[in-house]
Amino acid sequence: NAGVMQNPRHLVRRRGQEARLRCSPMKGHSHVYWYRQLPEEGLKFMVYLQKENIIDESGMPKERFSAEFPKEGPSILRIQQVVRGDSAAYFCASSPSTTGTDYGYTFGSGTRLTVV
Amino acid sequence: GDSVTQMEGPVTLSEEAFLTINCTYTATGYPSLFWYVQYPGEGLQLLLKATKADDKGSNKGFEATYRKETTSFHLEKGSVQVSDSAVYFCALSDRGSSNTGKLIFGQGTTLQVKP
Repeated sequence: NAGVMQNPRHLVRRRGQEARLRCSPMKGHSHVYWYRQLPEEGLKFMVYLQKENIIDESGMPKERFSAEFPKEGPSILRIQQVVRGDSAAYFCASSPSTTGTDYGYTFGSGTRLTVV
Repeated sequence: GDSVTQMEGPVTLSEEAFLTINCTYTATGYPSLFWYVQYPGEGLQLLLKATKADDKGSNKGFEATYRKETTSFHLEKGSVQVSDSAVYFCALSDRGSSNTGKLIFGQGTTLQVKP
């Protein structure tokens, strides 16, 4: 059973370009969480999605950031018109349910975004 | 809102030394508590967890006890190894009104173990 798969592992974008980060949850997991880790900091919650629904986006910047988790395919975190401050590691985690999160998620290895 | 505070690092120890990394939390209700470990260039791995007061989580020689009276979840290991060098994160599950399962993390503590 493959773990949470994120790609790409490393992504370099010029200022103003778009960044697309992908996350395939573990088999059987229908809940996906995205977190951002700025340099030398802990992880900050961004968004929580279930299939075809955004449940909680309270941690996501209002502009330029969007997320989706379609019925088929991976979850996508999209950052439009990237700026240097978007440079960070973005981690995805999945869970079979919200009560399952009481026992800990499974995290992917992350996408490290560098904006030049 | 809920929050997690960890002792600042880096923590530098010699091999076989005793490790304590302090973690205290503020939460409404009764969250689950976690320790995650992050090795260089990798994602987070769940190290141990506790879901209610007085529970002790343990794994790979690491232990932490959920202390409701002191709102703490300190990580301990009796004898560290060089391979334990990593960043350790304390976290709690947000069981607020929405109960969406999101985690709140501390800022992380870097552990460096020297031979």
